[in-house]
Amino acid sequence: GAVVSQHPSRVICKSGTSVKIECRSLDFQATTMFWYRQFPKKSLMLMATSNEGSKATYEQGVEKDKFLINHASLTLSTLTVTSAHPEDSSFYICSAHGQVKETQYFGPGTRLLVL
Amino acid sequence: SQKIEQNSEALNIQEGKTATLTCNYTNYSPAYLQWYRQDPGRGPVFLLLIRENEKEKRKERLKVTFDTTLKQSLFHITASQPADSATYLCALGTGNTGKLIFGQGTTLQVKP
Repeated sequence: GAVVSQHPSRVICKSGTSVKIECRSLDFQATTMFWYRQFPKKSLMLMATSNEGSKATYEQGVEKDKFLINHASLTLSTLTVTSAHPEDSSFYICSAHGQVKETQYFGPGTRLLVL
Repeated sequence: SQKIEQNSEALNIQEGKTATLTCNYTNYSPAYLQWYRQDPGRGPVFLLLIRENEKEKRKERLKVTFDTTLKQSLFHITASQPADSATYLCALGTGNTGKLIFGQGTTLQVKP
């Protein structure tokens, strides 16, 4: 089946630093990837849609200069949280769909803690 | 306003019984609806997809119904097992972008 990996699984950083999270599709090509954020006991909130070779589309209220997304290849998208602050602490999850657009395959998530 | 509502209270049932979870939505016209399972600290795992022109879908012990008139989907797990304990999320797909809008999830606890 379709496997999506994320790295790192957990990261702790100091306030003001930048953190990069990688999302890879391991056994299929992902023309589109999605980045979500999830707070404890809350739903997944879509942050942006990442399309290979073009700029990401951000959802309303998500700062594109704060959350930089790059989808340089058909198997890799990266999310960089720039100048991280404690309120950026959250669970970040990526997903990808390949040929069949309706179904998304999720990565295992990255827990970010900003001190 | 647009809303997707799942029962926020945890559902506790006895092993062997059927679990029924509800997903209601307002002011959406979804082309399809999906159910995902999420375990603590993990990403969601796809379970079932049902399209707007389908009434029911089954997969092993899972059954999903979709009533576009009532704007509701029901998700059933028959012969439930403790291993079915998790949070179940419904998600609406409204167009051809592949974007999904998620409900907040219902936590199911199956007691042995």
